[in-house]
Amino acid sequence: EAGVAQSPRYKIIEKRQSVAFWCNPISGHATLYWYQQILGQGPKLLIQFQNNGVVDDSQLPKDRFSAERLKGVDSTLKIQPAKLEDSAVYLCASSLSRATNEKLFFGSGTQLSVL
Amino acid sequence: AQKITQTQPGMFVQEKEAVTLDCTYDTSDPSYGLFWYKQPSSGEMIFLIYQGSYDQQNATEGRYSLNFQKARKSANLVISASQLGDSAMYFCAMSGGTSYGKLTFGQGTILTVHP
Repeated sequence: EAGVAQSPRYKIIEKRQSVAFWCNPISGHATLYWYQQILGQGPKLLIQFQNNGVVDDSQLPKDRFSAERLKGVDSTLKIQPAKLEDSAVYLCASSLSRATNEKLFFGSGTQLSVL
Repeated sequence: AQKITQTQPGMFVQEKEAVTLDCTYDTSDPSYGLFWYKQPSSGEMIFLIYQGSYDQQNATEGRYSLNFQKARKSANLVISASQLGDSAMYFCAMSGGTSYGKLTFGQGTILTVHP
């Protein structure tokens, strides 16, 4: 089966510019996650969707980050305006459900460099 | 709140030998899950093994086993017969309680396998 697809793979922007990342989860996966992974650290959850509704966005910097999952499938994460500290890898993941034993499947990530 | 701690920033092992990567956790939830993921230099997160808090036996998946000590709140990953391809970053993560499926990750351990 096809895995989690993300694009672009790399993005370089200047601070104060805007950027958007796209994610297509595994078919049939109801739950979608966006994680931010700063170099040398573990991934940190930004937002979690269940179908097209937000379950958890407590760690999302809402003054500059936004995300949507229209029709409960694809998702887009946007940053506007970007700051230097937003340089990181943005990982999208999906899972069948929100069960405790449900493993997450990750995409290859988008590496963002803010100059 | 859930917390995962990986105290080994880096580990070295000789090819064909076994290695243990440490992970301790903290949670007040009685039901939780513990995961290990591998992240090669290419960036994707690869699921390795899962242990549920009520599982009586330690989980095993091929060369991977999880040494689960509930009283000590530890969930160490054991890799037997290390291979050069095992060189990667390894993350311990947990789910459970009100986390609704999302994973909380540790800081990671870089494993280097020497020939």
